[in-house]
Amino acid sequence: KQEVTQIPAALSVPEGENLVLNCSFTDSAIYNLQWFRQDPGKGLTSLLLIQSSQREQTSGRLNASLDKSSGRSTLYIAASQPGDSATYLCAVRGGGSNYKLTFGKGTLLTVNP
Amino acid sequence: DAGVIQSPRHEVTEMGQEVTLRCKPISGHNSLFWYRQTMMRGLELLIYFNNNVPIDDSGMPEDRFSAKMPNASFSTLKIQPSEPRDSAVYFCASSPLDAETQYFGPGTRLLVL
Repeated sequence: KQEVTQIPAALSVPEGENLVLNCSFTDSAIYNLQWFRQDPGKGLTSLLLIQSSQREQTSGRLNASLDKSSGRSTLYIAASQPGDSATYLCAVRGGGSNYKLTFGKGTLLTVNP
Repeated sequence: DAGVIQSPRHEVTEMGQEVTLRCKPISGHNSLFWYRQTMMRGLELLIYFNNNVPIDDSGMPEDRFSAKMPNASFSTLKIQPSEPRDSAVYFCASSPLDAETQYFGPGTRLLVL
């Protein structure tokens, strides 16, 4: 059974700092890995998706990496802003035709002005 | 596009009452997912529909939970009778067939007293 762990559970940083969020998964036979953002009282928004054959994806100030063999992914946020404050969730999709997403419990990020 | 629509957004009920949560997926999406999010267990898949047919309901916690999708534009998740441990945020998500990601609704926050 796939298990996804995110560390740390919460992180507070001053504005402008670069930061890294971590995600680990137990079964390396994945189809892809996604990072989502969840704002309070709202649904999830997909930020970055990395296919199992890829090593990283970038979107603006966000960069996600994937090391499938070691079961790890990181989300790097450059020059953090107060608007980045949210919960960030990592989810892996199983291999083959497995549609199921397994989520970590998330990292609550607070960026202080 | 209006995105995935869920109603109600908030529901407070008493133990033993029937609760019905509703979801309208994005038009044209073939797949629909119901998730439950709690602090303890994170985000868990309850049931998955493909072309209105339930494909995997292994995540439904017990017989008190049931889900239907009578047509491509509407789904319900029913809890009868409700219990305090059912208190959670319930999300509906949809995706086109074989899509890489899922599009989440804003969720229904359920409190069972």
